[in-house]
Amino acid sequence: QVHIVQSGAEVKKPGASVKVSCKATGYTFKNFGIHWVRQAPGQRLEWMGWINAGNRNTKSAESFQDRLTISSDTSTTTAYMELRTLRSEDTAVYYCARSWVGLPIDYWGQGTLVTVSS
Amino acid sequence: DIQMTQFPSSLSASVGDRVTITCRASHDIDSYLGWFLQRPGQAPKSLIYAASSLQSGVPSKFSGSGSGTDFSLTIDSLQPEDFGTYYCQQYSDYPHTFGGGTKVEIK
Repeated sequence: QVHIVQSGAEVKKPGASVKVSCKATGYTFKNFGIHWVRQAPGQRLEWMGWINAGNRNTKSAESFQDRLTISSDTSTTTAYMELRTLRSEDTAVYYCARSWVGLPIDYWGQGTLVTVSS
Repeated sequence: DIQMTQFPSSLSASVGDRVTITCRASHDIDSYLGWFLQRPGQAPKSLIYAASSLQSGVPSKFSGSGSGTDFSLTIDSLQPEDFGTYYCQQYSDYPHTFGGGTKVEIK
């Protein structure tokens, strides 16, 4: 049974960094990829990036290119999303989610609220 | 980036109604389209991939169609658990953009 559990809520000051973890169980981690999607209050879902857990290749939306790092650790079946130089507009719920290569998301984590406030 | 447009942005329907939601892509995305349902305060749930294939465990009351730039999601016999916001997402090209959502409310 696929299970994806994310780390807890974070409160950060502008200019700081945040790192959210995503622990996946119930399947062969390296055979799939992990996406990161965020949702600001009252806004649409926004795709941020993706990592192939097998070869660790990543793709990121250009709007995050310089601030976003996505990584994974097959030994702990955990993916990570680090966003740097936070600003108030980065306040959102951040989701990680699984997909097979070339297919869309099928399982989602529960979400992690990141609040950026001075 | 490929822009995804959904309409209507919201609709009111009664339990038992049949509802159709539309999604349009700014470029040809073949059948690389997924549909998701997000209930208030919850993570999204995956419903459909490849425009018309049901994700595992999703009831057949949900059906998707379309290819190229125009797609639709139909929900038969709406039940209370079907109310929420529906999103389409293209995965033809990076970034994998989402539509703006269609909020389905109880009439």
